[in-house]
Amino acid sequence: EADIYQTPRYLVIGTGKKITLECSQTMGHDKMYWYQQDPGMELHLIHYSYGVNSTEKGDLSSESTVSRIRTEHFPLTLESARPSHTSQYLCASSALGAAADGYTFGSGTRLTVV
Amino acid sequence: AQSVTQLGSHVSVSEGALVLLRCNYSSSVPPYLFWYVQYPNQGLQLLLKYTSAATLVKGINGFEAEFKKSETSFHLTKPSAHMSDAAEYFCAVMGSSNTGKLIFGQGTTLQVKP
Repeated sequence: EADIYQTPRYLVIGTGKKITLECSQTMGHDKMYWYQQDPGMELHLIHYSYGVNSTEKGDLSSESTVSRIRTEHFPLTLESARPSHTSQYLCASSALGAAADGYTFGSGTRLTVV
Repeated sequence: AQSVTQLGSHVSVSEGALVLLRCNYSSSVPPYLFWYVQYPNQGLQLLLKYTSAATLVKGINGFEAEFKKSETSFHLTKPSAHMSDAAEYFCAVMGSSNTGKLIFGQGTTLQVKP
């Protein structure tokens, strides 16, 4: 059973719309991450957070923004969706000081912008 | 800095045959190494991990991997492939300093033929 939840699982939306992808975890993890995964499979880190009010950009530049107001919640927002944003978005979390445990992933949100 | 290279973006085996997925890493500090599996339209699930204990690591679903420092490798094997093993497989590395991020390889698609 999942301890990290992403909603929606699938989203088809028109160009120019504002969208928020939700990610919540119940494990009390301090660290949370957003990855973008294109059809070629490779995972690109686009945002991460090491705790409340802490957010950083990842290795791949993204027009999305994130916030971390509560430990358990790490939503990702696109102010104006474009077809180039079509992708799968994966959220993950990990415990501070527990690098050996790796990350726990959500089931992902598959976004299609038409 | 850490990096991961997965040799072969697609691997095809017959049901019952040996599965071998290759992963080589680069790390300036003792690494933690992970294999994740991704089924269609799902997030990533941890298969197994190496955290500097035993060099031969056993994971779920009959998979195992051997850490070879001299070869900087962490190849994933399974003696007998099952149809349900068809999925995407990702190797990942993290520095054991607890401050680094998980770095993923490009992924390998495993196809299992009847």
